[in-house]
Amino acid sequence: GAVVSQHPSWVICKSGTSVKIECRSLDFQATTMFWYRQFPKQSLMLMATSNEGSKATYEQGVEKDKFLINHASLTLSTLTVTSAHPEDSSFYICSAAVRQEGSSPLHFGNGTRLTVT
Amino acid sequence: GQNIDQPTEMTATEGAIVQINCTYQTSGFNGLFWYQQHAGEAPTFLSYNVLDGLEEKGRFSSFLSRSKGYSYLLLKELQMKDSASYLCAVRDSNYQLIWGAGTKLIIKP
Repeated sequence: GAVVSQHPSWVICKSGTSVKIECRSLDFQATTMFWYRQFPKQSLMLMATSNEGSKATYEQGVEKDKFLINHASLTLSTLTVTSAHPEDSSFYICSAAVRQEGSSPLHFGNGTRLTVT
Repeated sequence: GQNIDQPTEMTATEGAIVQINCTYQTSGFNGLFWYQQHAGEAPTFLSYNVLDGLEEKGRFSSFLSRSKGYSYLLLKELQMKDSASYLCAVRDSNYQLIWGAGTKLIIKP
């Protein structure tokens, strides 16, 4: 089956520092990847759509200068949380679909739990 | 606006059957997905419905009625490991996934 690998699984950083999260599609090419954030006991919130070779599309209310997305290849997208603050502490999950068609489900990475102290 | 409703929490007994409902109001419809999410983990894909009717996959079945904007996930022969949140998601006319808040299922022995 389709595998999406996300790294790191968890990270603790100090306020004001930056954190990079990697998302790789291991056995398929993903022209599009999706970055989600999930706060405790809440549903998934789409942050941005990462497009290979072009700029990411951010959802309303998500600061593009704070959450930098780079999709340099068909198998790798990165999310960098810049100048992190405690309110950025959350569970970040990337996902991708094997095919760009309606029936193709999203496959998720294992998520990154970010704690900003 | 777009909206997906699911019960917040349900409790069931090991070995029993439980039905988790999902109603939706979206801009167009291009399929409905069910995902399972264990605490602290990412969601995993369970089922997909785009036509009316029942799709069966082992102990799990999913039903769709497009005219009613309604789906349910049926879990049979419940096991303790089925304790998780179950997320309903609809793909709208722009092929965007709209997510429900999830139903936390608690299985008791």
